[in-house]
Amino acid sequence: EAQVTQNPRYLITVTGKKLTVTCSQNMNHEYMSWYRQDPGLGLRQIYYSMNVEVTDKGDVPEGYKVSRKEKRNFPLILESPSPNQTSLYFCASSSMGNGYTFGSGTRLTVV
Amino acid sequence: GDSVTQMEGPVTLSEEAFLTINCTYTATGYPSLFWYVQYPGEGLQLLLKATKADDKGSNKGFEATYRKETTSFHLEKGSVQVSDSAVYFCALSEFTGGGNKLTFGTGTQLKVEL
Repeated sequence: EAQVTQNPRYLITVTGKKLTVTCSQNMNHEYMSWYRQDPGLGLRQIYYSMNVEVTDKGDVPEGYKVSRKEKRNFPLILESPSPNQTSLYFCASSSMGNGYTFGSGTRLTVV
Repeated sequence: GDSVTQMEGPVTLSEEAFLTINCTYTATGYPSLFWYVQYPGEGLQLLLKATKADDKGSNKGFEATYRKETTSFHLEKGSVQVSDSAVYFCALSEFTGGGNKLTFGTGTQLKVEL
């Protein structure tokens, strides 16, 4: 089954404790992206990647890092999480000219 | 930069009513347009898309037509069901030098009642 898999689904952590949210896709898509969803703000792009070793900032990249060492994986790294990063996060992938396929989401709470 | 504006919700309808959710966009080039749906507790699913002017996307009884002259992509359904209750997002995609960016509207919640 074609899918984007994110883990974990739910995560509660404390301020300053580094964490990684994993994302993997099995569709051989070139493009991958991370979004955060907040009430009243819709979805905002954090980082995106055109292909292996090619990444760039989206609209709200501060406090996040990404890497794309393999085509299928695109982890999101929070080096020092803060409460304002409490949000619902989605990973997505696409091939050129098509819509994105989204993962099921990761609900992160930073206390 | 690119932007998408859609009507605020919630929109509350009775079953079998006609649905319209308005969406307009601003883009520098020739974007592709999408509607995504998010059911409670789930991720976003692609509902329909249109890649050029006058294209009509359709799926599961929903339709939207890419209107370049009015920069709009309104979502319509002739007869909604309770199972259509969800949040609907209008989005556009433009390929830039850096990638295939997707820009979303803020979402419109639809509630369908018996």
